[in-house]
Amino acid sequence: EPEVTQTPSHQVTQMGQEVILRCVPISNHLYFYWYRQILGQKVEFLVSFYNNEISEKSEIFDDQFSVERPDGSNFTLKIRSTKLEDSAMYFCASSLLAANTGELFFGEGSRLTVL
Amino acid sequence: AQSVTQLDSQVPVFEEAPVELRCNYSSSVSVYLFWYVQYPNQGLQLLLKYLSGSTLVKGINGFEAEFNKSQTSFHLRKPSVHISDTAEYFCAVSDRQTSGSRLTFGEGTQLTVNP
Repeated sequence: EPEVTQTPSHQVTQMGQEVILRCVPISNHLYFYWYRQILGQKVEFLVSFYNNEISEKSEIFDDQFSVERPDGSNFTLKIRSTKLEDSAMYFCASSLLAANTGELFFGEGSRLTVL
Repeated sequence: AQSVTQLDSQVPVFEEAPVELRCNYSSSVSVYLFWYVQYPNQGLQLLLKYLSGSTLVKGINGFEAEFNKSQTSFHLRKPSVHISDTAEYFCAVSDRQTSGSRLTFGEGTQLTVNP
């Protein structure tokens, strides 16, 4: 069964360092997303990506964040200068249809710990 | 803007007992409704969704949910649970009126099924 894969599963970094989280969405999907979950809090939307551009982003997704689909298979989330409050589980997801009607397929998550 | 409230953070039940996980939402526009499940060390997986039509929606693994517009609720039920249903369950909504891609999640309910 096709699945969304994420790497790394866990990354520990120092505050101020750049981090890249990688995702391989399901191959025929058209929409790609990043969500995050800070420990003990809700799963929060960060950004959606369609047709090689950001289609929607949340208030959390500021200039420190960027996304890229560099080669038609990977979908990356970059945090330029990490802060302590960026520590969270980051989930990548993909879907064939837009999220408000379709089914999102989530990866297992990348746990980011910022020290 | 939308918000989702899951009234119970933890629900312990015995195997073969019925269960109801409660979800209420608030929105200034009409919404689509979803339940996702997260098994340990896995990504979120769609259980069921309400887009239109019958307010009683059946999903995978014997779960069902009922959309109640007047009470702005979308409670999840299963008549007889198994040990394997132990997981975290997330209720989510999306905006029906735009082609947006954002899902708004509740806090999650940890269902623990005991033998």
